[in-house]
Amino acid sequence: GQNIDQPTEMTATEGAIVQINCTYQTSGFNGLFWYQQHAGEAPTFLSYNVLDGLEEKGRFSSFLSRSKGYSYLLLKELQMKDSASYLCAVRDSGYSTLTFGKGTMLLVSP
Amino acid sequence: EAGVVQSPRYKIIEKKQPVAFWCNPISGHNTLYWYLQNLGQGPELLIRYENEEAVDDSQLPKDRFSAERLKGVDSTLKIQPAELGDSAVYLCASSPTKGRNTGELFFGEGSRLTVL
Repeated sequence: GQNIDQPTEMTATEGAIVQINCTYQTSGFNGLFWYQQHAGEAPTFLSYNVLDGLEEKGRFSSFLSRSKGYSYLLLKELQMKDSASYLCAVRDSGYSTLTFGKGTMLLVSP
Repeated sequence: EAGVVQSPRYKIIEKKQPVAFWCNPISGHNTLYWYLQNLGQGPELLIRYENEEAVDDSQLPKDRFSAERLKGVDSTLKIQPAELGDSAVYLCASSPTKGRNTGELFFGEGSRLTVL
């Protein structure tokens, strides 16, 4: 089985930087994904890590440490439109299904 | 390129009634998933198809839920009879064939079910 843990809610101010953490315990590991989901909409892909280190994509970066079972999503220069739920998901082995965490609801205020 | 298409977007039914959801994946995507998402929670897998074969249906409540993917393209998810606790968003997702990319999932907008 898999256990994926992330904070339920976070708040931040427009223009600031926020880090959303995700810890996981899995029997195997073959990739960690971050998705963004606005209220009432479909989850959309943000990032993918399979090796240790930092992956940067514009204002968003994602970090992975496989030995620690830990990842974070870093959002820079926050904008109001970044208010959404951020889902951490792990693929345990091979090309199997993604298991999602419960999501972190981020509220960006002016 | 068209995304994953689901219908209906919204459905309100009385308990004990049947309901069906339809999904058309992205063209060429062999893997199709049905997930259930409750309010404030992450998506939970119901069933995964590789072409027309259900390869992971361990989380599908088979007493009332059924799914099919005839011809390995479109899929339907059925609930009969529906219960109050089935109120949720039913998400369909698809992904390309193994080995061609990271294996990210592409989601449809979901079908929101309300059981009264």
